Amino acid sequence: TQLLEQSPQFLSIQEGENLTVYCNSSSVFSSLQWYRQEPGEGPVLLVTVVTGGEVKKLKRLTFQFGDARKDSSLHITAAQPGDTGLYLCAGGNTNAGKSTFGDGTTLTVKP
Amino acid sequence: DAGITQSPRHKVTETGTPVTLRCHQTENHRYMYWYRQDPGHGLRLIHYSYGVKDTDKGEVSDGYSVSRSKTEDFLLTLESATSSQTSVYFCAISEYPSLAGANNEQFFGPGTRLTVL
Repeated sequence: TQLLEQSPQFLSIQEGENLTVYCNSSSVFSSLQWYRQEPGEGPVLLVTVVTGGEVKKLKRLTFQFGDARKDSSLHITAAQPGDTGLYLCAGGNTNAGKSTFGDGTTLTVKP
Repeated sequence: DAGITQSPRHKVTETGTPVTLRCHQTENHRYMYWYRQDPGHGLRLIHYSYGVKDTDKGEVSDGYSVSRSKTEDFLLTLESATSSQTSVYFCAISEYPSLAGANNEQFFGPGTRLTVL
């Protein structure tokens, strides 16, 4: 079983601060996704990374896939209250019918 | 938004009773998934389907069964509900095998909150 560990589990910061959350595994994944989930709703995809060392930017969010494709990070610059939510990483492998989700990081951005 | 609906959205039932949750999609996607979400455990895969009448177990399949008789519907059944099955259940769909490539994405339904007393 491939496991994904996310850290920190909870993060509470003030508006305008920067933050990084991590997704780590001892297993290699062919691709990794980050999702954001708001209370009472299902997760929504933010990004998919597939190449070791790949960096993708989505406005104030920067995603990086580790060189060995075992880990990933999500960095948010100048966090805003609208960034509040549960951030989930999910790893998968080609030809596998299922993916593995991490336990999530709950982010609260206070105005 | 992807066309995924789940029913019911909320359900309270008693231990030992059977429960069936329904997931309906209008996207004609081949792959469908049932997850449960509990505090501190993220999303855990219960069962998934890779086509009509084709299903496979996930990591927490004990106590659950599924059926897919049509492309658009994926049913999750708890034959005899237990308190440990109190959770929020999410259905998801994808066009390709999950995370098969850069352009694949799982679309999630709104969830069903199940309470087993």
